[in-house]
Order: sequence, then C-alpha cells, then structure tokens
Amino acid sequence: DTGVSQDPRHKITKRGQNVTFRCDPISEHNRLYWYRQTLGQGPEFLTYFQNEAQLEKSRLLSDRFSAERPKGSFSTLEIQRTEQGDSAMYLCASSLWAGGETDTQYFGPGTRLTVL
Amino acid sequence: KNEVEQSPQNLTAQEGEFITINCSYSVGISALHWLQQHPGGGIVSLFMLSSGKKKHGRLIATINIQEKHSSLHITASHPRDSAVYICAFLLQGAQKLVFGQGTRLTINP
Repeated sequence: DTGVSQDPRHKITKRGQNVTFRCDPISEHNRLYWYRQTLGQGPEFLTYFQNEAQLEKSRLLSDRFSAERPKGSFSTLEIQRTEQGDSAMYLCASSLWAGGETDTQYFGPGTRLTVL
Repeated sequence: KNEVEQSPQNLTAQEGEFITINCSYSVGISALHWLQQHPGGGIVSLFMLSSGKKKHGRLIATINIQEKHSSLHITASHPRDSAVYICAFLLQGAQKLVFGQGTRLTINP
C-alpha cells in the first residue's frame, strides 16, 4: 500500500509560465485536499474533492489556479501565469470519508514551487 | 484574530527532556490533529482526537474541549524528534483543516 505521492517534488519556473502538479492519493480514498504552505507558516487550505466533485474552494484560490480530479482518483493543480508570490510548498492529502464528522488525512511529500 | 495559536514557536531542548507543545483555539471544533513535519516538507499525522487523551509510544496528546486547548507531550526526547509540530483542527460542520503556524522543535544530543 503506497502513500500519497506528488509529482514533481520540486519545480523552478520563470514568472509568467504555467505549471501543473499531480497528486496520486491512497487508492480508494474518496477525498483529496490541496494545501499551500509558505516558508515559516502552517499550511493553508486551497480546495478539496469528494470523488470527482470539487466541493469547496478557498478565496486564496485565484482564477489563475484550477484543480481537477477527473476520474475521482488522481488530481492536478494548475497555476497559470505564475507570480513570485506563488512560491510555496503545495501539499496534497487524501482521506477515506465514511460519512462521519471526521477523517484522518494522509499527506503527500509536497511539491516545492519556486518562481523566479 | 487568529483562530489557533501554538506555543512556543521555537523550542530547543537536550536529549531526554520532557517536551510540551501547546495549542489554543477560539472556535468550535469537531476534531484536532497533531502533525509532524520534517525538513523537506513531508507531513505525518500523529494523532486525531476530539476528547481526552491518546498515547503512542513516547508521544501523548491531550485535549480539553471546554478550555479549547490541546497539548502534545514527548517523553524522553531524542534528536530524531527534531521537526516542526503543527496542530490543526476541523471546524464544526466543515471539512477542511485549519492549521497552526507550527512549533519548531530541536533536540540536541
């Protein structure tokens, strides 16, 4: 049983370029979350999916950001026209939600984005 | 006003010392997580609790719902415990985690 994986682990790009990150959750986990963490801060919620449905998006997620989970398995997070302020660690987490109030989220290793 | 406050922000101790990290929050929550983050970014979930106390090896987590406070204790600390420890909680009725800013723990041999 593999954990949550993210690809790439590191991405360096120039301002204005588009980038796409991928997250593969633990198999059969129905929920997938994206978080962003800037240096010295705790992570901040960006968005989450239940199966293929995107159920909530943070106000942090500007219209340059888009996330998809087309088949309810892996997810992609795309940032268009990157800005230096987008430099951060992008974390993905997955969980198996069985209808209760809480579920344990399992985190991936993160993708560190540096925008020059 | 921050919904969650962790203290201390940084903690340096000698190997073997008993460690306490605190987390206070100001809103109603359904559960609180303690997470460990090593250099390089990977986050590991240590505990999820909604009441009382949980223990796993040298780690103990407690929560007092009435006082809106949780603590993470490490007994017989070891240099490999050096990491950032983050508390995070689920707001009542919400599905996303709200994170504290983290406590950077350094255990010197």
